[in-house]
Amino acid sequence: GAGVSQSPSNKVTEKGKDVELRCDPISGHTALYWYRQSLGQGLEFLIYFQGNSAPDKSGLPSDRFSAERTGGSVSTLTIQRTQQEDSAVYLCASSPEDKRTEAFFGQGTRLTVV
Amino acid sequence: QKEVEQNSGPLSVPEGAIASLNCTYSDRGSQSFFWYRQYSGKSPELIMSIYSNGDKEDGRFTAQLNKASQYVSLLIRDSQPSDSATYLCAAGRRALTFGSGTRLQVQP
Repeated sequence: GAGVSQSPSNKVTEKGKDVELRCDPISGHTALYWYRQSLGQGLEFLIYFQGNSAPDKSGLPSDRFSAERTGGSVSTLTIQRTQQEDSAVYLCASSPEDKRTEAFFGQGTRLTVV
Repeated sequence: QKEVEQNSGPLSVPEGAIASLNCTYSDRGSQSFFWYRQYSGKSPELIMSIYSNGDKEDGRFTAQLNKASQYVSLLIRDSQPSDSATYLCAAGRRALTFGSGTRLQVQP
């Protein structure tokens, strides 16, 4: 497809379980972002990948959160030992390699921790 | 800490009027500024980008940037009910910082 693809679209998990969220960016886009949006709230920055540079992990809320990007393309966000406060929509975005960071979003993964 | 501030609204305007949305940002090093529209239950959709001081027009939308005042605005002319959504302002150099959004309601 032409847009940013995220899977799964919905995920319900039990507290304490680990989850993996996947993002497939737009082909050719070298920058990739993960954001989190809680109900009725704005977007909270989590992590940013740009090409082969070290990722900007400054937004990860705790060491239970990690992300990787393989081959400069697909990214996986992993949340270990999920907590109820992790429930949110996790949004991935990608942008072309230039300083004009026009980011295009996927449809998100709605995570519910029960 | 990098911040982007927006009035949460709701901003209510009649159909056909001009809607004016405002945003301030704290990081003076920000180089890129964007407005996103987000319908309820949907992901943000990019509607405007602006990188230099002044105005940028695209159809019914005009973005305004004043770096000295660290201020960004979005004007929507001839507002339509379909414009009713939350509008997110974003600023940054690489990773974007988003405001919490302004909810716009266009009354038919």
